[in-house]
Order: sequence, then structure tokens, then C-alpha cells
Amino acid sequence: DQQVKQNSPSLSVQEGRISILNCDYTNSMFDYFLWYKKYPAEGPTFLISISSIKDKNEDGRFTVFLNKSAKHLSLHIVPSQPGDSAVYFCAASARNTGNQFYFGTGTSLTVIP
Amino acid sequence: DAGVIQSPRHEVTEMGQEVTLRCKPISGHNSLFWYRQTMMRGLELLIYFNNNVPIDDSGMPEDRFSAKMPNASFSTLKIQPSEPRDSAVYFCASNGGSSYEQYFGPGTRLTVT
Repeated sequence: DQQVKQNSPSLSVQEGRISILNCDYTNSMFDYFLWYKKYPAEGPTFLISISSIKDKNEDGRFTVFLNKSAKHLSLHIVPSQPGDSAVYFCAASARNTGNQFYFGTGTSLTVIP
Repeated sequence: DAGVIQSPRHEVTEMGQEVTLRCKPISGHNSLFWYRQTMMRGLELLIYFNNNVPIDDSGMPEDRFSAKMPNASFSTLKIQPSEPRDSAVYFCASNGGSSYEQYFGPGTRLTVT
């Protein structure tokens, strides 16, 4: 049973434009959300996170938005660069129940030069 | 900091053979996680340890899989006997101290023929 879902397996965006990656979750106990980026033949690397007490967190070109009522979060990359081409995983955690993260299936982003 | 170290990076074995994957977490991290990446399920948590003690092994697919953490700097994931459907990339991750985010190793790509 997939508690975190990324319904778009792939996304292509022109360089300089905005990339929007989406993620939905089912467990209302989740209170901490993260995005990881993964290049081929490497492990995922942490990109940005957001706590459920916020609805937005920004770090340079990357912004994560959280809509708790819809159980939805999104990652915006502006402007997109070719080096952003990677697989992006959304993850969620209920920190008061343990250290466990639940990951989505990933979205492969291709930024076209 | 060397990061999370996994070995081997690639493993090709025949069905029925025993496979052992190894992980060295980041020094000072007290939690260790084993994941399996597949196209269908994304990053799937198999088991995690806290202070060398297994906390949640509900993700271990069946009795053929076992994991140990004899000390704070070493963990193994064993598959015996291996089957072709075990072919996947296996990641180890760790966190702890002031870091809630998990840090991943480069993964072991397992192919069972």
C-alpha cells in the first residue's frame, strides 16, 4: 500500500522554465516531508524539506509547497537547468512514531537545453 | 566525511546462491536503513535499526532476507537463497544526531540470473 504517490513517472521541461513535481500522500499523521534528487548510479541526496507547520519552504531555485488539506506537496524549480535532470523522490515521515520515511516511486525530470 | 559506504557496488549471482550486501554508516549516526529500489514501488524500506537494534523489519519481503547490525559501524543484508525477482538496487542510509534527513550510500546493483 503506497502511502506516498508520485503519479507522473516523467516530466520534460525547457531550460529556463519552471519545473513542477507533484506528490500526494494518504497518511494524515505525516508531519515532515522531504525531496531527494537522484542521479544515475548514485544514491539519493537530500534536496529540501518542509514541516507540517509551514506551507512553503524556499531554498534558492527550489521551493516546496505543502497543502495539508489536500494531502499534497509540490516541488518548484525555477529556472530549470540541464543539471537538474535527475529522478526526484518525495518522502514523508510521522516523526512522533519513529524514524521511518515513506518514499514515492519518483519522477524523472529532463531539462532540455 | 566519507559518507555512507556500500559494498559491493555490483553483484551478479545465480539463482539459489547466497548474497551479502554490506554497509558502513556515517560515523556518529545511530540509525541505519536498508531500502530496495524498484520501478514499481520506488524506494521501499526493508528494515531499519536504531542504536544497532532492529526496530521495524515489516518491509523484509520474506524469510530469505535477513539483516544484522553487529556494531555501530557495520551492517549486512543477506539474501539466501537468491531469486531473479530479487534483482534491484539496494541502498543503505543513515541518520542521527542533529540530522533528521537520511544520507544514502551509492547503492548495490544486484542481478540474479
